[in-house]
Amino acid sequence: NAGVTQTPKFRILKIGQSMTLQCTQDMNHNYMYWYRQDPGMGLKLIYYSVGAGITDKGEVPNGYNVSRSTTEDFPLRLELAAPSQTSVYFCASSTHGRRDTEAFFGQGTRLTVV
Amino acid sequence: GENVEQHPSTLSVQEGDSAVIKCTYSDSASNYFPWYKQELGKRPQLIIDIRSNVGEKKDQRIAVTLNKTAKHFSLHITETQPEDSAVYFCAAPRAGGFKTIFGAGTRLFVKA
Repeated sequence: NAGVTQTPKFRILKIGQSMTLQCTQDMNHNYMYWYRQDPGMGLKLIYYSVGAGITDKGEVPNGYNVSRSTTEDFPLRLELAAPSQTSVYFCASSTHGRRDTEAFFGQGTRLTVV
Repeated sequence: GENVEQHPSTLSVQEGDSAVIKCTYSDSASNYFPWYKQELGKRPQLIIDIRSNVGEKKDQRIAVTLNKTAKHFSLHITETQPEDSAVYFCAAPRAGGFKTIFGAGTRLFVKA
């Protein structure tokens, strides 16, 4: 299993540009999450999904959108990038149901908005 | 709403000493309590977890204790080594896993 795969690893955007951060997992996990981590800070939940076709806002959703058309994929869309969105973005997945499991993280996407 | 508080934010210990990090949570429905370690420039990875039907769990030099009545759980690292230096996060997902919220993190420095 590859686990959770994120692309790209690094990206520089200009203010006002848009982009999609890709995330895919091959563990058949029902839950998927997007977090952002600012330098020296903790993990803030942007959006999460409990299954295909279902998404919901986390702590800091403004400026982002997500979709979950399949179990495997959970892309994060940035519209009109702003310097405040400079951060490291982590996608994660886990299983919840009869037995909760740990969250498995992708390797992260380092995004700089200039 | 859900809230996870983690203390201390920074912890510096001498090699060989013990380190303790504590988290408190607000949702009494939480029943799974993981701890993650994040090395510089890397992704967070699970190091130990505990479920609500257990009070303590140990894995070599690390242990986690859970007090469901007081709604807190702690990470204990004994005989610390320089490679233990990292940021440690606790999490307290609600039952069913909705909105896994992480603590703010503890930066542990182990001085050789």
